[in-house]
Amino acid sequence: DAKTTQPNSMESNEEEPVHLPCNHSTISGTDYIHWYRQLPSQGPEYVIHGLTSNVNNRMASLAIAEDRKSSTLILHRATLRDAAVYYCIPLEEGAQKLVFGQGTRLTINP
Amino acid sequence: DGGITQSPKYLFRKEGQNVTLSCEQNLNHDAMYWYRQDPGQGLRLIYYSQIVNDFQKGDIAEGYSVSREKKESFPLTVTSAQKNPTAFYLCASSQQGDSNQPQHFGDGTRLSIL
Repeated sequence: DAKTTQPNSMESNEEEPVHLPCNHSTISGTDYIHWYRQLPSQGPEYVIHGLTSNVNNRMASLAIAEDRKSSTLILHRATLRDAAVYYCIPLEEGAQKLVFGQGTRLTINP
Repeated sequence: DGGITQSPKYLFRKEGQNVTLSCEQNLNHDAMYWYRQDPGQGLRLIYYSQIVNDFQKGDIAEGYSVSREKKESFPLTVTSAQKNPTAFYLCASSQQGDSNQPQHFGDGTRLSIL
């Protein structure tokens, strides 16, 4: 499993953009980069995933570095409901399990 | 709405009892998973199933058992052999069991020992 490094915590203000970084320098060429988030007492929620190109969906954008050793999850306009723990998870080709590290606890200030 | 339903939300077990946690999905997904989460920790894989009538052990399968008789159902039994069963149990599913498919999670079952 590729190791990941994420800040323990980050703080932002409502309606501002948030950039959540993740380093995954040991990632393999075929590993997809997944992002999930988890609110207190709830199951994880899928946010976005990608391989090489930047990806956008209704929740967020994922910017993947050209060397794929890091990625950034971008929330374009944070709301209070975005306060959660965010997990960056490289997933090996054929892998069955998601390996959740400590993630980044995101706090949104009103 | 399509999704994953876990029941019950809270479950209490006496020492020496087996308990079964329910997980149902109506997403028509082939693959299903069971994870365990302890306070302040990440998720750990207990069992997974890629297809009906087939399942594989994850990292912490000891003391647990599963069955996959129907595509939409993947119940988990916590047996008396599981010495530390108090945890938050999460069920997930994905369209296929590969790295390009997101996993969708239920809201979990919190198991406590009386």
